[in-house]
Amino acid sequence: AQSVTQLGSHVSVSEGALVLLRCNYSSSVPPYLFWYVQYPNQGLQLLLKYTSAATLVKGINDFEAEFKKSETSFHLTKPSAHMSDAAEYFCAVTNSGGSNYKLTFGKGTLLTVNP
Amino acid sequence: DVKVTQSSRYLVKRTGEKVFLECVQDMDHENMFWYRQDPGLGLRLIYFSYDVKMKEKGDIPEGYSVSREKKERFSLILESASTNQTSMYLCASSLGETRGQETQYFGPGTRLLVL
Repeated sequence: AQSVTQLGSHVSVSEGALVLLRCNYSSSVPPYLFWYVQYPNQGLQLLLKYTSAATLVKGINDFEAEFKKSETSFHLTKPSAHMSDAAEYFCAVTNSGGSNYKLTFGKGTLLTVNP
Repeated sequence: DVKVTQSSRYLVKRTGEKVFLECVQDMDHENMFWYRQDPGLGLRLIYFSYDVKMKEKGDIPEGYSVSREKKERFSLILESASTNQTSMYLCASSLGETRGQETQYFGPGTRLLVL
């Protein structure tokens, strides 16, 4: 089964600084990859996803991620952090079970934005 | 907009009680999912359903069962609640047509405390 590893359970940045959240996947075939965000006391919502079209994927709120096959990575970036970006971020990969598909999530990275 | 609602935001139950968590989606989605979320462990799939009356075990089905009698409703049942089932439970749904690439839409979660 495919899995993802998120490096760093907690990342802290200053407002206006670059955000970099790391995700590596384990797969021998090109996977479908996702980044979800969870704001406090809410469910998850999709930020962006890679489905084998463009390797640089743009999402909501100026987030983007680049699929790098050579590094088996799908890191999430944002050029300038905003206080409202404080949340927990989850990387996920699709796994198939017969004809059905399910997501396997990483353990999450909590992003703190300091004023 | 897709809306996924969960019957309770907070629930307190006693050990041994039978607990029902309900989830309703309003977008005619084929697939529905139940996850539990624990700090440091991310989201883990309990059960999912790809059609009415159909279900598949996820990664951690022990101690849980599910019911899907109508397309829009997916219930998670704890047959005999135990303290190690204290957790946040998240329901999600997806369209069911673009295999493996689909966005999952999440409810706000139910925080269950078993005493």
